Amino acid sequence: GENVEQHPSTLSVQEGDSAVIKCTYSDSASNYFPWYKQELGKRPQLIIDIRSNVGEKKDQRIAVTLNKTAKHFSLHITETQPEDSAVYFCGVGSRGGADGLTFGKGTHLIIQP
Amino acid sequence: KAGVTQTPRYLIKTRGQQVTLSCSPISGHRSVSWYQQTPGQGLQFLFEYFSETQRNKGNFPGRFSGRQFSNSRSEMNVSTLELGDSALYLCASRAPNSPLHFGNGTRLTVT
Repeated sequence: GENVEQHPSTLSVQEGDSAVIKCTYSDSASNYFPWYKQELGKRPQLIIDIRSNVGEKKDQRIAVTLNKTAKHFSLHITETQPEDSAVYFCGVGSRGGADGLTFGKGTHLIIQP
Repeated sequence: KAGVTQTPRYLIKTRGQQVTLSCSPISGHRSVSWYQQTPGQGLQFLFEYFSETQRNKGNFPGRFSGRQFSNSRSEMNVSTLELGDSALYLCASRAPNSPLHFGNGTRLTVT
């Protein structure tokens, strides 16, 4: 089955700096890569996703890049703000996620004021 | 539109008992998935239902089962509960070619 590794497990950055979280996957057939943000005690919420026919996608301060050859993708958050503090999960799926998602173990992002 | 609704929010059960969790998807969503979230293992896929049929299943023992009704509502059942089943159980629904939308989860504690 699919194996997803996510790094780092904890990331502390100064407010205003950038944060980068990286995930690697094993199955070359995987073609759907979402990122979810989970605040303490709340549901995971989708913040951005990318499909394998696209190398990069941006939404305001958030971007995701995908390297299919190396089988890794990264989440980039620029100009971090206190409300960015949360746990971030990367997901990997095939058939656009229809076969279920395999998630990384999560990154706890801490924004230092 | 109302989001994914899960009931109950919290459950406390004893080892050996069984439990049923309920999920109502977003209106119009016919695909419902279940995930188990624990601090050690993160989010793990249990199974996915579409039009009352289980389409995909994760790597969990047969004690974990589910079903989906004609109105797309879904239930998940865990029999012969073990301490290790203590977790947050998340339900998610989706429309075709659209992302997963998660509910707030049911926190199950097994004592």
